[in-house]
Amino acid sequence: EVQLVESGGGLAQPGRSLRLSCTTSGFTFDVYAVSWVRQAPGKGLEWLGFIRSKAYSATTEYAASVRGRFTISRDDSKSIAYLQMNSLKTEDTAVYYCTRDQRYSYGHYYYYYMDVWGKGTTVTVSS
Amino acid sequence: DIQMTQSPSSLSASVGDRVTVSCRASQGITTFLAWYQQKPGKVPRLLIYAASTLQPGVPSRFSGSGSGTEFTLTISSLQPEDVATYYCQKYDSAPRTFGQGTKVEI
Repeated sequence: EVQLVESGGGLAQPGRSLRLSCTTSGFTFDVYAVSWVRQAPGKGLEWLGFIRSKAYSATTEYAASVRGRFTISRDDSKSIAYLQMNSLKTEDTAVYYCTRDQRYSYGHYYYYYMDVWGKGTTVTVSS
Repeated sequence: DIQMTQSPSSLSASVGDRVTVSCRASQGITTFLAWYQQKPGKVPRLLIYAASTLQPGVPSRFSGSGSGTEFTLTISSLQPEDVATYYCQKYDSAPRTFGQGTKVEI
């Protein structure tokens, strides 16, 4: 069974850092990209960014709202993806999900959509 | 950045009704669009990708259509278990923006 389990959430003060982990099982992690998505209380979904597989140089892309503060990385030996969150703000309070990204080709390019989601971990940023 | 706008924001329908949710992109995205369902208190679930391809395991009463800037999610016969918020998301390029969501109630 394909599983993604987020961990590392909790309470953090504004300006501090937190690292979330996404531990995966049930699929060949190193050939998949992984995205991070968050959902603030009572709000909609916000895509934060993703990391491609090592075959595509493990390159990353980010939403403007977190670029420069958040960093996505991966450890294929452990089948884990990470979301490093620095300079946290109160508006970063949300449930954070990691997702497995499916890839398909169209023309000369590859495109990714999110097919399996973890259950999420809650981050609260407050003094 | 391309904006995704869903309409309506919420709707109420009866069991057995045909329900449609619209999603509009501010620029053309070909068919690089996915639909997700999020039931109350639950994790989002992929329903449709590539605008019209049903994810395995999703009931056939769900369908998607459209290309370019206009997309539609249709539930052919609304069931009680379909009460949820539905989100479209573009994935032609980063950022992979979501629509604001459409809440479907019975």
